[in-house]
Amino acid sequence: GENVEQHPSTLSVQEGDSAVIKCTYSDSASNYFPWYKQELGKRPQLIIDIRSNVGEKKDQRIAVTLNKTAKHFSLHITETQPEDSAVYFCAASSGGHSGAGSYQLTFGKGTKLSVIP
Amino acid sequence: NAGVTQTPKFRILKIGQSMTLQCTQDMNHNYMYWYRQDPGMGLKLIYYSVGAGITDKGEVPNGYNVSRSTTEDFPLRLELAAPSQTSVYFCASSYSRKREVSSYNEQFFGPGTRLTVL
Repeated sequence: GENVEQHPSTLSVQEGDSAVIKCTYSDSASNYFPWYKQELGKRPQLIIDIRSNVGEKKDQRIAVTLNKTAKHFSLHITETQPEDSAVYFCAASSGGHSGAGSYQLTFGKGTKLSVIP
Repeated sequence: NAGVTQTPKFRILKIGQSMTLQCTQDMNHNYMYWYRQDPGMGLKLIYYSVGAGITDKGEVPNGYNVSRSTTEDFPLRLELAAPSQTSVYFCASSYSRKREVSSYNEQFFGPGTRLTVL
């Protein structure tokens, strides 16, 4: 099955600096890569996602890049703000390409981002 | 729309007790999922359903059962609670068109149920 590795596990940045979180995946059939943000005690919420036919996607201060050859994808947050402090999870799925079971999302273990004012 | 709702929010069980975690969505999503999240870990899929009457095992199904009699509801049953089942449980739903490779869509999560087994 799919295996998703996420690094680093913790990340501290000064307010206004950029933050980068990296993930690798093992299943070459994976074609959907979402990123979720989870604040303390809250539910995970999607912040951005990318599909395998796209190399980069941007939404204001957040961007995701995907390298299918190397099987890794990254989350970039620019001009970080204190409200960006949370745990961020990457995930991967083959989106049904390999049968019904592949609609499963496999999550990384998360990165705790702290933005220091 | 209320989205995905879960009850209860908190529960303490004794070893060997049973309980059902409730999950309801009002978005007419066909796919529903149950995850568990242990401290410092990502979410692990317990069971999922692609539609009413259809369920399948995820990564960590042992000790759990599910049913999907309606589109809206997807309850998770713990039959003999064990301390290893202490966790936060999240239900999620999504809409996907079958047999379309690019149809995968966002999963919406419920608020979670914090379960402690003592």
